[in-house]
Amino acid sequence: ETGVTQTPRHLVMGMTNKKSLKCEQHLGHNAMYWYKQSAKKPLELMFVYSLEERVENNSVPSRFSPECPNSSHLFLHLHTLQPEDSALYLCASSQAALAVPYNEQFFGPGTRLTVL
Amino acid sequence: DQQVKQNSPSLSVQEGRISILNCDYTNSMFDYFLWYKKYPAEGPTFLISISSIKDKNEDGRFTVFLNKSAKHLSLHIVPSQPGDSAVYFCAASAGGSARQLTFGSGTQLTVLP
Repeated sequence: ETGVTQTPRHLVMGMTNKKSLKCEQHLGHNAMYWYKQSAKKPLELMFVYSLEERVENNSVPSRFSPECPNSSHLFLHLHTLQPEDSALYLCASSQAALAVPYNEQFFGPGTRLTVL
Repeated sequence: DQQVKQNSPSLSVQEGRISILNCDYTNSMFDYFLWYKKYPAEGPTFLISISSIKDKNEDGRFTVFLNKSAKHLSLHIVPSQPGDSAVYFCAASAGGSARQLTFGSGTQLTVLP
């Protein structure tokens, strides 16, 4: 595997289900990100982990719970979601952990989530 | 309120001609700008970037221009190729770190053969 991988690629869940999205980066990076992309809207940054510590949380509802067990893996745990949470969820990684500037983010292919 | 705006949701260009994609921003603290390209069923891939200390950056067929006074940047692709057909996102960051990127809503470029 190379780059940033995400599983599953597609997920359909009911509002009462609990599921998790998984992201793995094979680039030796030390920062990982979750983004949400809704139809016709910009990518919205949800969470940033740097050196396995959460450093950004952009007012995301608590029904989304991230976990970063190590610098290569990132999870997004989902529970009691709403239909409006249906979107493409993208994971990214970069080398920009702390003060190192201007390192681009590398994205995974995303998980297309549908909440019924 | 969107801080990064791509006002054209779509653009069609003939193969071999120039494609110009535009992006406007409102936050004067942004000091680094990036363009990403996204094909269907794939994540965005980094294309080209520019720091606010420059007004132009070129990489092969791709050139990004930055007009700080107008808070405007543009991506020029010349010559355009059918393989360039994709959604192009403009992104910006502030404060010397690319950790926090603010994205535009994207422009679908279609290059017609």
